Amino acid sequence: SQTIHQWPATLVQPVGSPLSLECTVEGASNPNLYWYRQAAGRGLQLLFYSVGVGQISSEVPQNLSASRPQDRQFILSSKKLLLSDSGFYLCACLRQGLGNSPLHFGNGTRLTVT
Amino acid sequence: GENVEQHPSTLSVQEGDSAVIKCTYSDSASNYFPWYKQELGKRPQLIIDIRSNVGEKKDQRIAVTLNKTAKHFSLHITETQPEDSAVYFCAASRRYSTLTFGKGTMLLVSP
Repeated sequence: SQTIHQWPATLVQPVGSPLSLECTVEGASNPNLYWYRQAAGRGLQLLFYSVGVGQISSEVPQNLSASRPQDRQFILSSKKLLLSDSGFYLCACLRQGLGNSPLHFGNGTRLTVT
Repeated sequence: GENVEQHPSTLSVQEGDSAVIKCTYSDSASNYFPWYKQELGKRPQLIIDIRSNVGEKKDQRIAVTLNKTAKHFSLHITETQPEDSAVYFCAASRRYSTLTFGKGTMLLVSP
């Protein structure tokens, strides 16, 4: 089964600073990868997903970007953080070729923008 | 695209009671319906899922039912325990599409 590594677990950044969150996956080849954000007490908002290296789909226009430089690596970035970027960021993985199958989430990064 | 409505948003029960969370979906082509449990500060974890060729699925105290005609599905938890307290999310997808999540239900089980 796949394992999703996310780091860091928590992050406090000032407004206007850059951001880079990394997600790596073990145990799955050519997975679909996802970035979700969860504001405090709220639902799961899909930010980006990727079906392969260099392929990024954006669900919500915003201050963030994503990249997939390698098959099992997915990066979430920002050049200048806003207060509204605070939240719980979750990377998720879906194994391709299995039709409908469950998403598996990483442990998440809790970002506080001050 | 798909739209998933989930209710109630909060649910309080006494230990030992049953809890039911309901979701409706809009896309008649959706054929996969997972449920996730998220404890405070943790990641969502899959607890049960159902595909559209099945009307009901049970795993110990947890069951999910699906009514394709009405486009709704429900999570049933029997003999609730305090450790069942969490936020529960339903979701729906059609083949090869992204999951669409409901907004979540906060379940509180009081001892």
